[in-house]
Amino acid sequence: DIQMTQSPSSLSASVGDRVTINCRASKSISTDLNWYQQKPGKAPKLLIYAASSLQSGVPSRFSGSGSGTDFTLTISSLQPEDFATYYCQQSYNTPPWTFGQGTKVEIK
Amino acid sequence: QVQLVQSGAEVKKPGSSVKVSCKASGDTFNIYTISWVRQAPGQGLEWMGGIIPIFGAANYAQKFQGRVTITADESATTAYLELSSLRSEDTAVYYCARDRRGVGATFEYWGQGTLVTVSS
Repeated sequence: DIQMTQSPSSLSASVGDRVTINCRASKSISTDLNWYQQKPGKAPKLLIYAASSLQSGVPSRFSGSGSGTDFTLTISSLQPEDFATYYCQQSYNTPPWTFGQGTKVEIK
Repeated sequence: QVQLVQSGAEVKKPGSSVKVSCKASGDTFNIYTISWVRQAPGQGLEWMGGIIPIFGAANYAQKFQGRVTITADESATTAYLELSSLRSEDTAVYYCARDRRGVGATFEYWGQGTLVTVSS
């Protein structure tokens, strides 16, 4: 199975900050990488698919980059509604589809 | 507008089985993969398996092989997850999720989640 490792596990940031979350795959997955946002008690929400494509309706302050084994989710200017946990997920080739362990973004 | 509506919370005894449903509406049901993803309390997301209703055959994560069955009823536009031999570690919220059109294994639509509690 492909292992996905996110860093950091948590971070504290202020409104307006630029935030970067990293995700590393245990083998090359091309650009088959998705990002989700999850708020407490809610289902995850798709933000970015295919490493860098913005899901419809998602604010443009969210962006994704990377290919191969290293990927990044960037929030250009953190807003109050962005405090949540973020997960990466690989969709490369065949199942099982695996998620990173999550990165919790908290208010500083 | 695609909607996935799941069945309600369940409390089960260890060793028993649970069956969770996921009713889809708003789009063609049988050509998109429905996956099941679970989340234990305070933990991350874990893919369990998925099914394309028109084909009928399901894929499962190795971890759950032999204990999980995913099925779909095209006429009812409903997918099901059945998990047997329940243990306390299976206490979790179980989500169904549907693929994004044209992008496999990319979970665009999610159900509201079903809490399954396993306790004696």
